[in-house]
Amino acid sequence: GESVGLHLPTLSVQEGDNSIINCAYSNSASDYFIWYKQESGKGPQFIIDIRSNMDKRQGQRVTVLLNKTVKHLSLQIAATQPGDSAVYFCAENTGGFKTIFGAGTRLFVKA
Amino acid sequence: DGGITQSPKYLFRKEGQNVTLSCEQNLNHDAMYWYRQDPGQGLRLIYYSQIVNDFQKGDIAEGYSVSREKKESFPLTVTSAQKNPTAFYLCASRASGETQYFGPGTRLLVL
Repeated sequence: GESVGLHLPTLSVQEGDNSIINCAYSNSASDYFIWYKQESGKGPQFIIDIRSNMDKRQGQRVTVLLNKTVKHLSLQIAATQPGDSAVYFCAENTGGFKTIFGAGTRLFVKA
Repeated sequence: DGGITQSPKYLFRKEGQNVTLSCEQNLNHDAMYWYRQDPGQGLRLIYYSQIVNDFQKGDIAEGYSVSREKKESFPLTVTSAQKNPTAFYLCASRASGETQYFGPGTRLLVL
């Protein structure tokens, strides 16, 4: 597949460990946040979202934490698997039609 | 890919040629988007459309054109004025207030 990002921040974890991917967002008026996963050569895939009236939301093996005080978003992946290897993007929305995407973090999972 | 299709998967453009990338969605979403993705960078917005027969320029619209004659379709034309068209192009759609869902992408290469 094609590489989607050659110079992205990279996180390398051992299979079975937990992963934490961080994101700083830019607009204090943003009220909706999304995490996407993008595998090589494919379009981004929705993972989990959170609205600004929440601090934490859990999905299957994933948790998103939102700290509005410092405009910080994190994605936690439990028991990381080789299939989790991808680029992860955070995105923010202020309620309009435009969404602002972060540059992404590349996650490598070592077997 | 959530009911969003893009074609072709790979597209080759000769110098001075206009090429059109197809995006179709069957999700009944009002809004549709085109992004460009280059290695090491996040998604950059080219054009978006909130409703049929209406569209707005994004951050990097120069050298591109779009149309929105049908709710389901949002084709992107890369014109000869776009001097550096080699990139991965992503189409997305969204219902009002909800997350964007992406197609599988088209990789454009210049011969």
